[in-house]
Amino acid sequence: QQQVKQSPQSLIVQKGGIPIINCAYENTAFDYFPWYQQFPGKGPALLIAIRPDVSEKKEGRFTISFNKSAKQFSLHIMDSQPGDSATYFCAASYQGAQKLVFGQGTRLTINP
Amino acid sequence: NAGVTQTPKFQVLKTGQSMTLQCAQDMNHEYMSWYRQDPGMGLRLIHYSVGAGITDQGEVPNGYNVSRSTTEDFPLRLLSAAPSQTSVYFCASSRKGLGGETQYFGPGTRLLVL
Repeated sequence: QQQVKQSPQSLIVQKGGIPIINCAYENTAFDYFPWYQQFPGKGPALLIAIRPDVSEKKEGRFTISFNKSAKQFSLHIMDSQPGDSATYFCAASYQGAQKLVFGQGTRLTINP
Repeated sequence: NAGVTQTPKFQVLKTGQSMTLQCAQDMNHEYMSWYRQDPGMGLRLIHYSVGAGITDQGEVPNGYNVSRSTTEDFPLRLLSAAPSQTSVYFCASSRKGLGGETQYFGPGTRLLVL
């Protein structure tokens, strides 16, 4: 049972394009939604996170859009660069807990 | 600060062998956890600890044991390795809180069970 579903599995975008990665969840007890970025051979690192009381959060070129009624959230990367090529994971955690439930991951490739 | 360190980087085991994956952090974090990463399945929580002497099971605990005798260390033990345990294992740590604390991941241990 996958509590957080992520799509697409892989994505190829030209430099300067805007890749969008989507996640959906079922459990309304989730109240923290981070995105992690992972480069080959490295551990995941926190990229950006959002709580359900806001619909959008932006940090630099990275934006999370959050739709509480649809139980969906997405990551947008503006002006994408080859250095953004990595695997991206969405995740969620329950109120008052620190355990993270991860999506399946998206392998993003930005072509020069 | 070294952050979260894991040893070994890579290990090959035969079915039935046992081993311990080491994890240490120097950030004085109370919360530590172990995940396994498999293609198409994301990261799945194996065990976690909210402080020395306190551990609990995650989503996929079978075949793994943990203990937490100090704040810094959180080893993961495979008692009798099986090919299904071939995976990349990540240790993570964070401050203890009510949720939303940044988790810091180690570089991972790649395990192959033959």
